Amino acid sequence: EAAVTQSPRNKVTVTGGNVTLSCRQTNSHNYMYWYRQDTGHGLRLIHYSYGAGNLQIGDVPDGYKATRTTQEDFFLLLELASPSQTSLYFCASSDQTGQNTLYFGAGTRLSVL
Amino acid sequence: GEQVEQRPPHLSVREGDSAVIICTYTDPNSYYFFWYKQEPGAGLQLLMKVFSSTEINEGQGFTVLLNKKDKQLSLNLTAAHPGDSAVYFCAVSAGPGTGSNRLTFGKGTKFSLIP
Repeated sequence: EAAVTQSPRNKVTVTGGNVTLSCRQTNSHNYMYWYRQDTGHGLRLIHYSYGAGNLQIGDVPDGYKATRTTQEDFFLLLELASPSQTSLYFCASSDQTGQNTLYFGAGTRLSVL
Repeated sequence: GEQVEQRPPHLSVREGDSAVIICTYTDPNSYYFFWYKQEPGAGLQLLMKVFSSTEINEGQGFTVLLNKKDKQLSLNLTAAHPGDSAVYFCAVSAGPGTGSNRLTFGKGTKFSLIP
């Protein structure tokens, strides 16, 4: 069973705060993704990567940075958090491009006060 | 770019009843189609993956239909039971060689049983 682990599971910060969300996959997958899930919007792609050191911009990248340090680890950075970034964040991995299944982590619920 | 409309946003049925969730996509080059299930407090899990060459795909307790002419993908739950309560998402991606490796998700359908 493919495994994607996110940490923390819950995070509360204040406006202007600095937050890092972590994701590790043990699937030996090339692709990793960060999504945010919001009521009325479904899942929206923030950033993704196809390997260590690579970063691709998703559909809603503003206010977010990401870094892929190894094949296993992908981080999402909010350097000046805003209330609009309060959301449920999911990390996912896949072996290849669109035809392959995405394996999701359990999510990180972030609240920006 | 690809757009996916999913309906209804909410769906409630009685145990044993059938239910249908429909996604309509816009890109005629769409080639891979997915249904994901999200149970409360969990991430999304693959329910079924469908390729454009197959119109009818059956799973345990559900059927997925692909109508390429109308650009519609449907999830048909045949006899709802408590384990079906979840949020369901469809997702679509283009085929190989198109340069696209993204999934476009529908907005989700929250499915529940009427007590």
